[in-house]
Amino acid sequence: TQLLEQSPQFLSIQEGENLTVYCNSSSVFSSLQWYRQEPGEGPVLLVTVVTGGEVKKLKRLTFQFGDARKDSSLHITAAQPGDTGLYLCAEPGVKAAGNKLTFGGGTRVLVKP
Amino acid sequence: NAGVMQNPRHLVRRRGQEARLRCSPMKGHSHVYWYRQLPEEGLKFMVYLQKENIIDESGMPKERFSAEFPKEGPSILRIQQVVRGDSAAYFCASSPDFSYNEQFFGPGTRLTVL
Repeated sequence: TQLLEQSPQFLSIQEGENLTVYCNSSSVFSSLQWYRQEPGEGPVLLVTVVTGGEVKKLKRLTFQFGDARKDSSLHITAAQPGDTGLYLCAEPGVKAAGNKLTFGGGTRVLVKP
Repeated sequence: NAGVMQNPRHLVRRRGQEARLRCSPMKGHSHVYWYRQLPEEGLKFMVYLQKENIIDESGMPKERFSAEFPKEGPSILRIQQVVRGDSAAYFCASSPDFSYNEQFFGPGTRLTVL
């Protein structure tokens, strides 16, 4: 089982600023998912990236998958207080073995009004 | 279509008691996963079940922990003789089948052991 490292662990910014969070591994990802978890709730899937170099956009969120599929980033433009939460990257396991998820430690984002 | 439901949302137990956590998957989903989240950490896989079968329990402690997903009713995660280190948020997720790309998470049960 490979380890997923997320950085930074914590990020506090003002509303309107941009932010980037990172997810890295020493091994190649088969695919990678990003989740957001709000306080007191379960994680919610934001995006799945599969192809090296892939870029996906979801409103003000931009997700990139590294060319070598060993790293990924999530960039939020003009952050809003509603973006506050714990951002988790996760790698799905082998489908034949049940697709269990391996999560990174998360980046806790606080957007202050 | 209701989402994944977990109850109770909060559970307080004294050391040595038993904790029973329940998970009702989304309608039509027959695959259930349990994850544990310690304070300030990411989620860690515990066990994967299909109806009446445990498929992968590689993340579950060998002692005191057990899980089931009966033909009828919710999936149950059972922790016997709880210790303070069991205090955590326990999340259940479901999917229609093992090849489906997305798992849908419940709101979690927060277990506090006094």
